[in-house]
Amino acid sequence: GQNIDQPTEMTATEGAIVQINCTYQTSGFNGLFWYQQHAGEAPTFLSYNVLDGLEEKGRFSSFLSRSKGYSYLLLKELQMKDSASYLCAVLNAGNNRKLIWGLGTSLAVNP
Amino acid sequence: SQTIHQWPATLVQPVGSPLSLECTVEGTSNPNLYWYRQAAGRGLQLLFYSVGIGQISSEVPQNLSASRPQDRQFILSSKKLLLSDSGFYLCAWSSSGETQYFGPGTRLLVL
Repeated sequence: GQNIDQPTEMTATEGAIVQINCTYQTSGFNGLFWYQQHAGEAPTFLSYNVLDGLEEKGRFSSFLSRSKGYSYLLLKELQMKDSASYLCAVLNAGNNRKLIWGLGTSLAVNP
Repeated sequence: SQTIHQWPATLVQPVGSPLSLECTVEGTSNPNLYWYRQAAGRGLQLLFYSVGIGQISSEVPQNLSASRPQDRQFILSSKKLLLSDSGFYLCAWSSSGETQYFGPGTRLLVL
């Protein structure tokens, strides 16, 4: 089967660093995405990893290990506005090119 | 730049009534288009996707249907709504099956 696992909830303090993990088991792999979704809003794209390693984009970084079926999203210098749900999704292989979605990690940033 | 529109933003409908949600994309040609539903506290469920005019793939058997009458227009319909159709409906587009970008969503409440 195909499965993506993320922690349901996390809490962190403003100014700190938090790492949100994602593990996946899929029949094919064409890349892994992270999206941010604030309450009541649509998801917005954060990052895309297709090769192993770390991709840095400002305060956010995303890491991928294909051999381990593992990714993490690293958020530095946390701000209150980072309180949101973070969704991990894997792009399937083949012609349909569908995204397989995790249920998301709800991050609460406290002052 | 590309933009994606959805309307209406919110909708309250009685059980058994019809439904039509519209999604349009600007600034790109021949996009892949997707309809998702997100129920309260749950993950994104892919309902339909389309790789071209008149080409619709259904992911989940249900009382919903989708149509793509024009290259950048995607419509989600139902002849008779059920209580279980309540949710947050999201349209997304992608180019060549990669990163998906979401519209603002339609919040549907069926009473």
